[in-house]
Amino acid sequence: AQTVTQSQPEMSVQEAETVTLSCTYDTSESDYYLFWYKQPPSRQMILVIRQEAYKQQNATENRFSVNFQKAAKSFSLKISDSQLGDAAMYFCAYRSAKGAQKLVFGQGTRLTINP
Amino acid sequence: EPEVTQTPSHQVTQMGQEVILRCVPISNHLYFYWYRQILGQKVEFLVSFYNNEISEKSEIFDDQFSVERPDGSNFTLKIRSTKLEDSAMYFCASSSDRGGTEAFFGQGTRLTVV
Repeated sequence: AQTVTQSQPEMSVQEAETVTLSCTYDTSESDYYLFWYKQPPSRQMILVIRQEAYKQQNATENRFSVNFQKAAKSFSLKISDSQLGDAAMYFCAYRSAKGAQKLVFGQGTRLTINP
Repeated sequence: EPEVTQTPSHQVTQMGQEVILRCVPISNHLYFYWYRQILGQKVEFLVSFYNNEISEKSEIFDDQFSVERPDGSNFTLKIRSTKLEDSAMYFCASSSDRGGTEAFFGQGTRLTVV
C-alpha cells in the first residue's frame, strides 16, 4: 500500500519570503500522480498543484512550484513571495494511475505566515 | 465555476442515531468519493463510487456506512448507528475521470456525535 509522509508538522515563514514544505512517499508503482492540497481555516480542500510522475518537468502554478524527485520519492512544495493568505494546512497526496482512484494523504503541515 | 456542494455544513446527532450526509457532485463528473478527517488528523479515504456501485472502500467503511446515488444528482453517505468516534469532518469529492484529473472537494460536513 502506498504511504505519504510529511515530516514537518509546522512551518513558519516571514511574509514575502520563500518556504519549502517536504513530502516523501512510498510506492512500487511507476505511474502515478502527486498533489498538494491547501486547507485554510474554513477546512475546504483546495488543489494547489499537480504533478504527473511520467513528466520530468516540475509543475509550477504562479508562486507555487514543486521539486519532484522520482528516484528519491520526494515531492516538495515551494511557495515564493509568501502571502498572509497562504496560511493554512498543506497536505501532500498520492493517487495511482491505475486501479484505485483514491487519494492517499500525508499528515499535513501547518504553515504560518508572519507579517 | 462548478463546485461540489455538501449539506448540512454542521450536524449534531446523538450516539446511536442514523445520519445522512448529502452531496451534489459536479454535474458531468463520473467518480464520487467520501473522505473523513478527524480533528487534527489527516484526511482518510472512505469510499469511491462509480457507475452506481462502490469501486473501492477502506477498512473504516464498515457495515455501519453506506452510500447511494438516489436520483442521478445527489450522492449520500449514511451512517446507520453513529458512535462518538464518528465525529469528524466528512468531505465529498468528485472527478471527471481516473488518474490525474483533480478531485474537487466540497466544503465538508462537520459531524458531531454526542
